[in-house]
Amino acid sequence: QKEVEQNSGPLSVPEGAIASLNCTYSDRGSQSFFWYRQYSGKSPELIMFIYSNGDKEDGRFTAQLNKASQYVSLLIRDSQPSDSATYLCAVRGGGADGLTFGKGTHLIIQP
Amino acid sequence: GAVVSQHPSRVICKSGTSVKIECRSLDFQATTMFWYRQFPKQSLMLMATSNEGSKATYEQGVEKDKFLINHASLTLSTLTVTSAHPEDSSFYICSARGTGAGEKLFFGSGTQLSVL
Repeated sequence: QKEVEQNSGPLSVPEGAIASLNCTYSDRGSQSFFWYRQYSGKSPELIMFIYSNGDKEDGRFTAQLNKASQYVSLLIRDSQPSDSATYLCAVRGGGADGLTFGKGTHLIIQP
Repeated sequence: GAVVSQHPSRVICKSGTSVKIECRSLDFQATTMFWYRQFPKQSLMLMATSNEGSKATYEQGVEKDKFLINHASLTLSTLTVTSAHPEDSSFYICSARGTGAGEKLFFGSGTQLSVL
């Protein structure tokens, strides 16, 4: 059984600070790692994906992957109130597998 | 970016009726479609995977006779909830992977099903 674990929060961060979201996964064979943002009642939207160990930056977002520790994180710099949402970590194995999602972390950016 | 259109966005039905949800890829060929279900404050749970022209593969615990999936073309997949019951009330989301999309999955906007 593949599992993806996230702290459900809420995680409260002041506006302008760095928000750090964490995720661990159980399947060592996992190959692709995704971060989605989901607003209440809406479908998830992809923020970033990462395959290789290390950091990947895209604008204010940085994804970090450590396969040895089975850990993936998302950093949001200069947090804005519009970043307030639930952030879903998702993991995919090889082949045509679907994604396995964590339960999400509810992030609140305080103005 | 690629667009996946999902309809209806919201449906309310009586217990015992069937509901069909459509998912269309508008600007790419969706070789694989995934159907997810999300209960309030829960994660997305994969229900089934379908490849165009093939029978869907269902996840453990998902009744294939209750959740009928048809992926007859590269741009359309449907999920039919047969004889819906209140416990089927959930947010259903399709996602598609297609040629040239690589690892990316593109999500539909979701369907909120409420069974009375």
